[in-house]
Amino acid sequence: SQKIEQNSEALNIQEGKTATLTCNYTNYSPAYLQWYRQDPGRGPVFLLLIRENEKEKRKERLKVTFDTTLKQSLFHITASQPADSATYLCAGDTDKLIFGTGTRLQVFP
Amino acid sequence: NAGVTQTPKFQVLKTGQSMTLQCAQDMNHEYMSWYRQDPGMGLRLIHYSVGAGITDQGEVPNGYNVSRSTTEDFPLRLLSAAPSQTSVYFCASRLAGGRHEQFFGPGTRLTVL
Repeated sequence: SQKIEQNSEALNIQEGKTATLTCNYTNYSPAYLQWYRQDPGRGPVFLLLIRENEKEKRKERLKVTFDTTLKQSLFHITASQPADSATYLCAGDTDKLIFGTGTRLQVFP
Repeated sequence: NAGVTQTPKFQVLKTGQSMTLQCAQDMNHEYMSWYRQDPGMGLRLIHYSVGAGITDQGEVPNGYNVSRSTTEDFPLRLLSAAPSQTSVYFCASRLAGGRHEQFFGPGTRLTVL
C-alpha cells in the first residue's frame, strides 16, 4: 500500500542549529510532497509544497528537497528557535493526501 | 472567512450510539476529507469527496458514512460507535487537483466508552 514514513523519534536540537527532518515514500510516486506543522490540540497548518520536478524549495528559514531517486524529502529549519517546537507532518499528494506519522521537534535554548 | 469549522469540539458516546460530526467550509473548495489521528498512527484518511454528490473511501472507512449534498458541508456519521473509534477527527478542504494546500478544521475529540 502507499506509504509515507517519517522518523517517529523526537528530534531535540539546540536553538540556532539547523533541524533536518526526513520523509520517505514507498509503493507510489506522488507528484507533490507537502509539509505541515501541528501544535498540540490543533489541526495541521500548511508550510510548503514541492513538485517532483523541483529539487529544492525555500520559504524564509524553511527549505525542502525532493529526491525522486531516493524517494525522499528532507525538511530543514535553519536558525531554529524554541517557537519552532512542534510536530511536522509530511504528506504525499496524488488524488488524495496521505500523511506520515510526523516527527516531533523540540528546540531548547 | 471562517475557514473550516467542526462541531462539536468534544463528544463522549456509549458503545452502540450513533452521531454525526459536522464539517463546513466557506472557501468554495471542491475537495473535502475526513481524517482520524491516533497516537503513533498519524493522520489516516477515512473518506473524501471531490465535489457535491461524489464520495470515496480512504484508508480506514469501516464504521463511518459520509455524504456531500452541498459544496460547503461534509458530515461524518458513526452508525454504531465502538471504543476503537475513540480518536481525534479532523475535517479538511482544498481546491481540486494536486498542488494545493489543505486547510484543516480544529478537530473533534471523540471518546467512546
